[in-house]
Amino acid sequence: GIQVEQSPPDLILQEGANSTLRCNFSDSVNNLQWFHQNPWGQLINLFYIPSGTKQNGRLSATTVATERYSLLYISSSQTTDSGVYFCAVLGEGNKLVFGAGTILRVKS
Amino acid sequence: DGGITQSPKYLFRKEGQNVTLSCEQNLNHDAMYWYRQDPGQGLRLIYYSQIVNDFQKGDIAEGYSVSREKKESFPLTVTSAQKNPTAFYLCASSFSVPTEAFFGQGTRLTVV
Repeated sequence: GIQVEQSPPDLILQEGANSTLRCNFSDSVNNLQWFHQNPWGQLINLFYIPSGTKQNGRLSATTVATERYSLLYISSSQTTDSGVYFCAVLGEGNKLVFGAGTILRVKS
Repeated sequence: DGGITQSPKYLFRKEGQNVTLSCEQNLNHDAMYWYRQDPGQGLRLIYYSQIVNDFQKGDIAEGYSVSREKKESFPLTVTSAQKNPTAFYLCASSFSVPTEAFFGQGTRLTVV
């Protein structure tokens, strides 16, 4: 089945810094999402982005489907950005497959 | 409000007992999913359903069972055959064509 790899696994930032999270996938997809898991465990939808670029405030995402990767940009990071960031793609049989996540810690 | 409701939020179970986790959605979604998350780990797919009265095993289905008798509901039963059931369980739903999936708030199951 499709493989999803996220990097880096861990990231520590000073408040105000920018960061880029990467998601690579092993096969062509027509569905890709980015989620933020908050400290209470809830998964918050950030972007539904099978291709192209989207922006939402300090966050933006780009997916290059032909090269099988997606990037999540966080600018001017805040402590509330801390948590785990997941990307997920729709694989064979319409199974939603997750990467292992990137743990982000933003220090004040 | 439209959304996905999981209940209960916390659940304690004695070893050897079956327990059922509830997942209800009023988004008119066709597809529903169950995931398991262990501390510090990613999400692993247990079962998913694309349509009423049909469901497929995910990557870690052993020791779990599901039913999909209604479009709005996809309950997950953790049976006594599941060797290590303590985990965080998340339910999701989406339309059947490739679109955005949404998650409930999760149920934390602890076996005591």
